[in-house]
Amino acid sequence: QVHLVQSGPEVKKPGASVKVSCKASENTLAGYYLHWVRQAPGQGLEWMGWFSPNNGATNYMQKFRGRVTMTWDASFSTAYMQLSSLGSDDTAVYYCARAEYGDYIDSWGQGSLVTVSS
Amino acid sequence: SFVLTQPPSVSVAPGETARITCGGNHIGIKSVHWYQQKPGQAPSLVIYHNRDRPSGIPERFSGSNSGNTATLTISRVEAGDEADYYCQVWDSSSDHNVVFGGGAKLTVL
Repeated sequence: QVHLVQSGPEVKKPGASVKVSCKASENTLAGYYLHWVRQAPGQGLEWMGWFSPNNGATNYMQKFRGRVTMTWDASFSTAYMQLSSLGSDDTAVYYCARAEYGDYIDSWGQGSLVTVSS
Repeated sequence: SFVLTQPPSVSVAPGETARITCGGNHIGIKSVHWYQQKPGQAPSLVIYHNRDRPSGIPERFSGSNSGNTATLTISRVEAGDEADYYCQVWDSSSDHNVVFGGGAKLTVL
């Protein structure tokens, strides 16, 4: 059983950064990729990028390059997604999700609400 | 990048069949996956590889994919099927690897 447990809600001011965590149950990410997907209020799913806990490789969607950093702390089996220079349009629920390369997402975190407001 | 087009909404009466489409250029050569999302919850997989069902998903859920359209079919619709449904493909031709459709809201009348 895969469990991805994310950090709690955050409120940030415009221009600030946010770091969302995603803790995986032990050994459940071996051979998998960790994706980050966000969903603005009342909107659809928007993929942000993926991170490989195996070798540290990343692929960020062009829209987020320069603003997003995805990392992994193996000692805590925890992935992180940091987004900087926040604007009001970054207000969204951020999900971490597991998938094999090129395949479907088979497990999702519960989501972390990030609110950007002055 | 690859674009997936879904109808914003689909409405059916209980017991009827709901068909939710996902259009894309030659989508038939890609592997399509479908997710169900109920209010306040994370998405969950209902169909993968065009037509395969994860364990625990009822046989009422089925998928097909051909030409420029993939379809999620839900037979004998129940009130509990009311949710948003998203199709998804992997696009290796661009940096936008994971592509979602815009989502279709299924309303059970």
